[in-house]
Amino acid sequence: GENVEQHPSTLSVQEGDSAVIKCTYSDSASNYFPWYKQELGKRPQLIIDIRSNVGEKKDQRIAVTLNKTAKHFSLHITETQPEDSAVYFCAANRPNFNKFYFGSGTKLNVKP
Amino acid sequence: EAQVTQNPRYLITVTGKKLTVTCSQNMNHEYMSWYRQDPGLGLRQIYYSMNVEVTDKGDVPEGYKVSRKEKRNFPLILESPSPNQTSLYFCASSPSTGTNQPQHFGDGTRLSIL
Repeated sequence: GENVEQHPSTLSVQEGDSAVIKCTYSDSASNYFPWYKQELGKRPQLIIDIRSNVGEKKDQRIAVTLNKTAKHFSLHITETQPEDSAVYFCAANRPNFNKFYFGSGTKLNVKP
Repeated sequence: EAQVTQNPRYLITVTGKKLTVTCSQNMNHEYMSWYRQDPGLGLRQIYYSMNVEVTDKGDVPEGYKVSRKEKRNFPLILESPSPNQTSLYFCASSPSTGTNQPQHFGDGTRLSIL
């Protein structure tokens, strides 16, 4: 089946620094890659997504890049703030199987 | 307000006692899905449904059943719960029958099976 690998599992940065989380996927047919943020005790919430016809997408301090050839995609958060502290999940679809696969999550800690 | 509603939010029960977790969405979404979340394993898909009366297995379907009799509802049924089904469960929905749309998650159901 699809294997979405995510790393690092934990990431600690100083407020104002940048954070990068990386994911790889195995199915070349995958064409949709969302990122979710999950605060403690809350549901996952979509923060940004990218489709396979685009190489990069930005939304204020958040950006996602996609390398289809290498089958990896990354989340970049600039000027991190303490409220960015949460668990972040990447995901990839398998359109031929109508399924989603999630990475194992990255716990981001932004130190004030 | 557009939302996915799960009930109950918390449940402690015993092995073998049948239980149902309800999920309802008010966004007229086609695709609905159930996930379980376990530490270090992320979210794993249990079952999904592309439309009314169309359901299929995800990656970890053993011990679970679902039904989709109406578009808005997608209950998760544990016929004979076991301790290894202790987990945090999320229901999610997305607009189209394809998998290239964002999923909206419910608030989660924490199940403890003793």
